[in-house]
Amino acid sequence: LAKTTQPISMDSYEGQEVNITCSHNNIATNDYITWYQQFPSQGPRFIIQGYKTKVTNEVASLFIPADRKSSTLSLPRVSLSDTAVYYCLLTGFQKLVFGTGTRLLVSP
Amino acid sequence: DTAVSQTPKYLVTQMGNDKSIKCEQNLGHDTMYWYKQDSKKFLKIMFSYNNKELIINETVPNRFSPKSPDKAHLNLHINSLELGDSAVYFCASSQVGQDRSYEQYFGPGTRLTVT
Repeated sequence: LAKTTQPISMDSYEGQEVNITCSHNNIATNDYITWYQQFPSQGPRFIIQGYKTKVTNEVASLFIPADRKSSTLSLPRVSLSDTAVYYCLLTGFQKLVFGTGTRLLVSP
Repeated sequence: DTAVSQTPKYLVTQMGNDKSIKCEQNLGHDTMYWYKQDSKKFLKIMFSYNNKELIINETVPNRFSPKSPDKAHLNLHINSLELGDSAVYFCASSQVGQDRSYEQYFGPGTRLTVT
């Protein structure tokens, strides 16, 4: 069963760009890479999903190299409200694997 | 309107009791899930139902039994509760796309405390 590895925590300041990398060396051909955000006492919330190359939406970008063994979530110009835990998730048929999560702390 | 709702939000009970957590989604999704998040914040899939059929059943004690009366509901029944069952349980739903990509919508969670 493929696992993901992320940094346990990261610190940043308001207005900076934050890049969180997830390692998934054993990703399967059919797996998608999905990132979720979780605030305390709330359920995780979908941020972005991709299969390869680059995906961008209104809140983040996701960079996936050709070998797909890692991915990087990029949050442009973070604010205090971006303080949360970010999970990297492999989604494949009949398989859901959450990473350990990265606790991002954004300071003024 | 709440997309995925769970009841109760908090549940405190004693060891050995049987309890149920209810989940409902009004998104018209065909797949629902139960997750367990322990005190260390590890989020683990427990079950997944697609169109009322069980498709994922992780290594979970058989004291845990999901019940899906219809596509919009997935309830979790727990027998003979143990201290280690204390956690936050999240329900989620999604619509599986033809390319297997899907976004999951999570409920607010049910904090279960077993004393």
